[in-house]
Amino acid sequence: EVHLVESGGGLIQPGGSLRLSCAASGFTVSSNYMSWVRQAPGKGLEWVSVIYSGGSTYYTDSVKGRFTISRDNSKNTLYLQMNSLRAEDTAVYYCANLNGGTYYYYFDYWGQGTLVTVSS
Amino acid sequence: EIVMTQSPATLSVSPGEGATLSCRASQSVSSNLAWYQQKPGQAPRLLIYGASTRATGIPARFSGSGSGTEFTLTISSLQSEDFAVYFCLQYNYWPPWTFGQGTKVEIK
Repeated sequence: EVHLVESGGGLIQPGGSLRLSCAASGFTVSSNYMSWVRQAPGKGLEWVSVIYSGGSTYYTDSVKGRFTISRDNSKNTLYLQMNSLRAEDTAVYYCANLNGGTYYYYFDYWGQGTLVTVSS
Repeated sequence: EIVMTQSPATLSVSPGEGATLSCRASQSVSSNLAWYQQKPGQAPRLLIYGASTRATGIPARFSGSGSGTEFTLTISSLQSEDFAVYFCLQYNYWPPWTFGQGTKVEIK
């Protein structure tokens, strides 16, 4: 059975840094496309970042240069390093597995989310 | 970037009645459209992918249709556990993956 468990969220001042973790079980993180998706309080879902099985990474424009997605194959864990945090980064951050065949990938399994609050 | 627009923002429905939710893409996304259900404090749950294929364990009262730019999620007879927010997702052009803003289905 697939499980994704996020951790690392909390209250952080503007300009600070935080690293989120997503521990996976039931599948191998390095074999899949994995993403972070966030949801600001009372708002919709926003894709943040993806790491492909081959290691390529992509980011939404608003976090480019500030966030870094990575994985530790030995721990079967996905990470999101968040630097220079802003108030508008306040959200619940979900890690999600991407499922697909040839080219088209959609989010199937999601973690329970971890709340990041950026405030002074 | 593909913009996904859902309507209505809120849908008030009595238990046992049907509900029809709409999702429109700013350009064709073929059939690469998924639907998710989200309850308060929970992660989104995949309902439909490929515009019309139910995910594992999803009841038959949920059905999806459409292709190109117009999509519909139909819930045939709402149960108490179906009152939630529903999001659509396009995965034809990525990155970025883009979601609709959501439709809240509430008890009438």
